Amino acid sequence: QKEVEQNSGPLSVPEGAIASLNCTYSDRGSQSFFWYRQYSGKSPELIMFIYSNGDKEDGRFTAQLNKASQYVSLLIRDSQPSDSATYLCASKVGANNLFFGTGTRLTVIP
Amino acid sequence: NAGVTQTPKFRILKIGQSMTLQCTQDMNHNYMYWYRQDPGMGLKLIYYSVGAGITDKGEVPNGYNVSRSTTEDFPLRLELAAPSQTSVYFCASSYAALGRETQYFGPGTRLLVL
Repeated sequence: QKEVEQNSGPLSVPEGAIASLNCTYSDRGSQSFFWYRQYSGKSPELIMFIYSNGDKEDGRFTAQLNKASQYVSLLIRDSQPSDSATYLCASKVGANNLFFGTGTRLTVIP
Repeated sequence: NAGVTQTPKFRILKIGQSMTLQCTQDMNHNYMYWYRQDPGMGLKLIYYSVGAGITDKGEVPNGYNVSRSTTEDFPLRLELAAPSQTSVYFCASSYAALGRETQYFGPGTRLLVL
C-alpha cells in the first residue's frame, strides 16, 4: 500500500502568520512529491513539486523534503485569506502514478 | 486555449446504466489522466495515457475503461454503474511526465449513482 498521510485539519492560522502543512509517505520508492491547492468545489492546482532532500522555495511557499524520515512539508509565509483551501500532498511512484493524501483544510483568519 | 474541458458537469445514473465521461484538451499534451475524488478524500488515479493509442491502469481501474484515439480526447467509460462509483471525476493533462511539467486539471464531472 502506497500511503500518503496528512492531518485533515482544519488548521487555522491568523493572517500574516506561517502555515505549516505536513505529509508522511510509506513507500521509499517514491521519487518526487507534489503539493496541490484545491478550493471548495474546484479542481486541484499544482503549487510546487520537490524531489531532492532539503528546501525548495517559490514566492511565499517553501516545500521541504526529508527522505530519511519520509516526510514532506509545505510552509506558507505571510498567509492570506485567499490561501484558505484544502492542500493535497501527493507522491509519485513510477513514471506517472501519483498517490494522494486526503488533504489538510487550511483556514486563514483575517 | 480552453485548457482541459470535461462534459457533462453533473450526471445522475441508475445502477447498471452506462455512460461516457468526455475529456478534451487543446494544449497538445501527450499525457492524460483520469482521477476520482470521493468526498473528503484525495484523488485516486483510474487510468492514464502517455500518447494516442497507449493507455495504462492506475490505482483503481476496476469498473472503468478508456481509449485514446487522438491526442486531444481521452474518454472514460463506465459500463455497469454501481453506487461505489459515485464520485467527482477529474481529467488532467501534461506535456511531459509528472515532475517535469505541470499537470492541468479539468473542472470535474460530478457523478451520482442511485
